[in-house]
Amino acid sequence: AQKVTQAQTEISVVEKEDVTLDCVYETRDTTYYLFWYKQPPSGELVFLIRRNSFDEQNEISGRYSWNFQKSTSSFNFTITASQVVDSAVYFCALSEANQAGTALIFGKGTTLSVSS
Amino acid sequence: EAQVTQNPRYLITVTGKKLTVTCSQNMNHEYMSWYRQDPGLGLRQIYYSMNVEVTDKGDVPEGYKVSRKEKRNFPLILESPSPNQTSLYFCASRKGGRAYNEQFFGPGTRLTVL
Repeated sequence: AQKVTQAQTEISVVEKEDVTLDCVYETRDTTYYLFWYKQPPSGELVFLIRRNSFDEQNEISGRYSWNFQKSTSSFNFTITASQVVDSAVYFCALSEANQAGTALIFGKGTTLSVSS
Repeated sequence: EAQVTQNPRYLITVTGKKLTVTCSQNMNHEYMSWYRQDPGLGLRQIYYSMNVEVTDKGDVPEGYKVSRKEKRNFPLILESPSPNQTSLYFCASRKGGRAYNEQFFGPGTRLTVL
């Protein structure tokens, strides 16, 4: 069965520190998609990135980077030089191509607190 | 502006009083779904719809109903709310049925059932 594990419930850092949020997934499908969403204190869910199972290239977008490793079933998210505005709950999610309804399976989230 | 809207944003009600949370999207998306978010549990899918008149259960459908009479609207109905349905609810939409496409989420509805 599909599952997403975010083992870090809460992380606290000081501004300018780098921080990595871990995500481990389980799936039997060979075709699947991984996502990261951000939920700031205002509550909305903001899409950050999507990665498909055939593309193991890492991605960088400004201070954000993602490391996808199929060998360890991980899709980790790193924020470089963190800022107070990065404080949010971050969700990793999985969607399988062959799953009925192709729902997003979410991890339980990691709450990141960045202090100044 | 492309968006998913939900109403109401906040609702306090009592056990057994029927309520409807509306959801509307203006992106002409075929796929819509409802999730609930609970502390320590993340988000879980309640119901989804692949297109008009096509709906199906997600992981936690008990106590909920949905309908999809129009492409843009996907209301969530609680016929007899109970306190364990106190939660933060999100509506989402996605282009087509492909798992590849990201889901766009509404702003959320915080429901309290007393």
